[in-house]
Amino acid sequence: EPEVTQTPSHQVTQMGQEVILRCVPISNHLYFYWYRQILGQKVEFLVSFYNNEISEKSEIFDDQFSVERPDGSNFTLKIRSTKLEDSAMYFCASRPGGSSYGYTFGSGTRLTVV
Amino acid sequence: AQKVTQAQTEISVVEKEDVTLDCVYETRDTTYYLFWYKQPPSGELVFLIRRNSFDEQNEISGRYSWNFQKSTSSFNFTITASQVVDSAVYFCALSEALIGQNFVFGPGTRLSVLP
Repeated sequence: EPEVTQTPSHQVTQMGQEVILRCVPISNHLYFYWYRQILGQKVEFLVSFYNNEISEKSEIFDDQFSVERPDGSNFTLKIRSTKLEDSAMYFCASRPGGSSYGYTFGSGTRLTVV
Repeated sequence: AQKVTQAQTEISVVEKEDVTLDCVYETRDTTYYLFWYKQPPSGELVFLIRRNSFDEQNEISGRYSWNFQKSTSSFNFTITASQVVDSAVYFCALSEALIGQNFVFGPGTRLSVLP
């Protein structure tokens, strides 16, 4: 069964450093998403991406964050100048066009900012 | 605005007991989708079920069953004859059909099944 692949599974970074989280969505999917889950809390929407541009973003997704689909297969989330409160699990998701049938989450990247 | 409420923060049951996890949602949309996900200690989100707003039929899959009631905006999840492997955090989620289809998750219910 097709999967959304996220790398790395765990990343530790120092406060103030830039970090890039990588995702390979399912190949025929058209819509891409990032979500964040702070430890012990609920999963929160960050951003959606379609047709090479952001289609929707939450108030969490401020200027510190950016997304990119650099080569037609990868979908990245960049966090500039990480803060301690950016420590969380980050989930990538993708879906085909049409309804949310087939919406698939990756297994997540646990980011720890020290 | 969309909102998902899971009033039970934590539930503990003894193995073989039945347990129901509650989910109440709010949406202005007439077309929407409801989901349940399981998050084991390893952290990934495991898809359990998807339901669209036009399909109020209850569903059973093995020991799992779901009761969708539009009249009360609820989508409850029952595990029959619980097992220790069912221990996890369970999230209910809502996706509105016309708005980007990003998910709104509930706060989750932590289920502990004791041997």
